[in-house]
Amino acid sequence: EVQLLESGGDLVQPGGSLRLSCAASGYTSSSYAMAWVRQAPGKGLEWVSSISATGRSAYYADSVKGRFTISRDNSKNTLYLQMNSLRAEDTAIYYCAKHLVGANSYFDYWGQGTLVTVSS
Amino acid sequence: QSALTQPRSVSGSPGQSVTISCTGTSSDVGGYNYVSWYQKYPGKAPKLIINDVTKRPSGVPDRFSGSKSGNTASLTISGLQAEDEADYYCCSYAGTYTWVFGGGTELTVL
Repeated sequence: EVQLLESGGDLVQPGGSLRLSCAASGYTSSSYAMAWVRQAPGKGLEWVSSISATGRSAYYADSVKGRFTISRDNSKNTLYLQMNSLRAEDTAIYYCAKHLVGANSYFDYWGQGTLVTVSS
Repeated sequence: QSALTQPRSVSGSPGQSVTISCTGTSSDVGGYNYVSWYQKYPGKAPKLIINDVTKRPSGVPDRFSGSKSGNTASLTISGLQAEDEADYYCCSYAGTYTWVFGGGTELTVL
């Protein structure tokens, strides 16, 4: 059974940094692209970033480009999201999601999410 | 990367059918047959219910169906059941490994 477990969400001040993690299990995670999707309070889902299976290629939404960095450690079956220069509008539940295969395929499994709150 | 447009809410009685629309542009919905739909209960993870416009993953009831015409995709739920009450999100590939979601539609089963 595919399982994705996010962690690392916290309360952080504007301008601060945070790193989220997503531990994958139940499948060979190194064979599939992964992504982060977020949901701000009372808002819809927003794609944030995707990374290829090897980790060599990364893609970002314009809203986070230059501030967030996605990465993965396939030896640990773990996906990361380094978030810098955080803003109030980054407050959201962040979900880790698995792409069917490559980063141009749909999201077939999701984690339960981790809450990031950016506030002073 | 503008969000796809969905109705904020729809409703229907048990046994009825409802359709949720998802309107984008020729750069996303209209340009690719890569529209997916997700069902989300409050506090829970999204669940894939339709992929590639019309395909149902294993385990998803055939009451759920998807379609697309031009820049608008649609999710139809027939034979509504109380358990279908949830939020529904469309998602489309937007090229160059980017994705765009709709704002979500709250389905109420009366």
